[in-house]
Amino acid sequence: DVKVTQSSRYLVKRTGEKVFLECVQDMDHENMFWYRQDPGLGLRLIYFSYDVKMKEKGDIPEGYSVSREKKERFSLILESASTNQTSMYLCASFGTAQHFGDGTRLSIL
Amino acid sequence: GNSVTQMEGPVTLSEEAFLTINCTYTATGYPSLFWYVQYPGEGLQLLLKATKADDKGSNKGFEATYRKETTSFHLEKGSVQVSDSAVYFCALSYNSGTYKYIFGTGTRLKVLA
Repeated sequence: DVKVTQSSRYLVKRTGEKVFLECVQDMDHENMFWYRQDPGLGLRLIYFSYDVKMKEKGDIPEGYSVSREKKERFSLILESASTNQTSMYLCASFGTAQHFGDGTRLSIL
Repeated sequence: GNSVTQMEGPVTLSEEAFLTINCTYTATGYPSLFWYVQYPGEGLQLLLKATKADDKGSNKGFEATYRKETTSFHLEKGSVQVSDSAVYFCALSYNSGTYKYIFGTGTRLKVLA
């Protein structure tokens, strides 16, 4: 079974902080994704990566950046956290389908 | 453009009732179609998928058939259980080479004992 592990289930940060969300997959997948999930809006793609050091913007990249230094790890960075970035963040990697981690519920105070 | 439309929730059913959650899509080409389930406090789990027209995906008593003529992929289950209470997402993968998905907004199912 594919395992996608997100480093934190719950995280509380303050406005203006730089926030790192980590995601690791154990299946040597090339394609990885970061989404945010908000009530009534479903899942929205923030960034995705199709290889080490390769990334592309998704639908809502503003205020975020990503890092993919190793194939198994895909990090989402909130450069200067704001309250409107309070959300559930989901990481996925692609094998024969997208497989998701358990999510990080991030609160920005 | 590509899009997925799901029925609004919540859907509330009694245990052993028949379930249908509607999903229609708009896409160019021949997308693959998926249903995911999200239990409270968890990420999304792949429930079933279909990769071409008339394919039927099935898992855990759930079924969905890829209908190209009606651009639909409705989720069905003959007899729901309380443990099926969750949010269900329909998604499509369009053939862009990037394996990006488009998700519906999700349908919450509540099953009462």
